[in-house]
Amino acid sequence: NAGVTQTPKFRILKIGQSMTLQCAQDMNHNYMYWYRQDPGMGLKLIYYSVGAGITDKGEVPNGYNVSRSTTEDFPLRLELAAPSQTSVYFCASTGQGVGYEQYFGPGTRLTVT
Amino acid sequence: GQNIDQPTEMTATEGAIVQINCTYQTSGFNGLFWYQQHAGEAPTFLSYNVLDGLEEKGRFSSFLSRSKGYSYLLLKELQMKDSASYLCAVNQAGTALIFGKGTTLSVSS
Repeated sequence: NAGVTQTPKFRILKIGQSMTLQCAQDMNHNYMYWYRQDPGMGLKLIYYSVGAGITDKGEVPNGYNVSRSTTEDFPLRLELAAPSQTSVYFCASTGQGVGYEQYFGPGTRLTVT
Repeated sequence: GQNIDQPTEMTATEGAIVQINCTYQTSGFNGLFWYQQHAGEAPTFLSYNVLDGLEEKGRFSSFLSRSKGYSYLLLKELQMKDSASYLCAVNQAGTALIFGKGTTLSVSS
């Protein structure tokens, strides 16, 4: 199993551009998450999904959108990128929900200038 | 409201024992996790506590007191490779985790 994969690994965006961060998992997990991690600030939940067709907002959803059309894929869309969205983005998944570990992807380092 | 507090930084020497504390105030509680994160890498799971008491896993142990809103991660026989950030996370409700800011541990020889 590849586990959780994310693309791209690095990206530089100009202010106002849009992009999609890709996340896929091959573990047949129902639950998937998007986090952002700023230096010294820990992980903040952006959006999460408990299954195909179901998504919900986390702590910091503004400026982002998600979709979950399949169990495997959970892309994160940034519209009108802003410098405040410069961060490292992690996707994670878990099969059981409460009480089970989340498996993290390797992350996408995004810079908006 | 919700708040998870951990020390920002800790230092220790090889072979020593270190305890990383985490206090939390959340509106719900469905368990507490500890993750390890090496610089530039993704977090990896270390432990999970949902009942009061100590969970031991090799050189790592984690303790929980729900009445005090308190947990600690105990690392024994420290090695250089244990230099990393240690993240405390609470499952407040449902399936999403609330993370603390993390504790950066530096192990020296």
